[in-house]
Amino acid sequence: GDSVTQKQGQVTLSEDDFLFINCTYSTTTYPTLLWYVQYPGQGPQLLLKVTTANNKGISRGFEATYDKGTTSFHLQKASVQESDSAVYFCALVDYTGNYKYVFGAGTRLKVIA
Amino acid sequence: EAAVTQSPRNKVTVTGGNVTLSCRQTNSHNYMYWYRQDTGHGLRLIHYSYGAGNLQIGDVPDGYKATRTTQEDFFLLLELASPSQTSLYFCASSGYNAETLYFGSGTRLTVL
Repeated sequence: GDSVTQKQGQVTLSEDDFLFINCTYSTTTYPTLLWYVQYPGQGPQLLLKVTTANNKGISRGFEATYDKGTTSFHLQKASVQESDSAVYFCALVDYTGNYKYVFGAGTRLKVIA
Repeated sequence: EAAVTQSPRNKVTVTGGNVTLSCRQTNSHNYMYWYRQDTGHGLRLIHYSYGAGNLQIGDVPDGYKATRTTQEDFFLLLELASPSQTSLYFCASSGYNAETLYFGSGTRLTVL
């Protein structure tokens, strides 16, 4: 089945630093790739969606792109703030059979003021 | 705004105990999911459903049962709880065509 690999377990940055999180994916269908953010004490919420139709998503200063050649997708932000401290998950929609959402292991971002 | 409500927020039980986690969504969504979240593993799919009376097996189903009684309600059952099932459990719902997956606030389960 489809799979997603997210290797960066924890990232610590200072305010105004550049953020880059990378995931790799495996799918037999056209990918719909997602980034979710989880703040403390809350459930994950959708941050960005990228498909083969749009190639790029932008929201709240975050940008998501994907590279079909390397089957990877990225989340980046030019200048992080302390309020961006959260856990970020990449995910893939698995269309084989019924809809399933396959998540990466998550990256815990800590931004120091 | 889409809404997914889970109960209880916290639950403590003993090994061998019987636990039911509840989830209700008011989004009129067809799909509902149960995930567990553990450090280093992210969100892992336990069971899911695409409508009342339907049940699909996820990626980590052992030791769990689920039942979808109505469009709105999806339950996760642990009939003989074990310490390995100590985790943070999330319910989520989505419509057709890979619409946004909406999560509840989670249930933290501790099995002693």
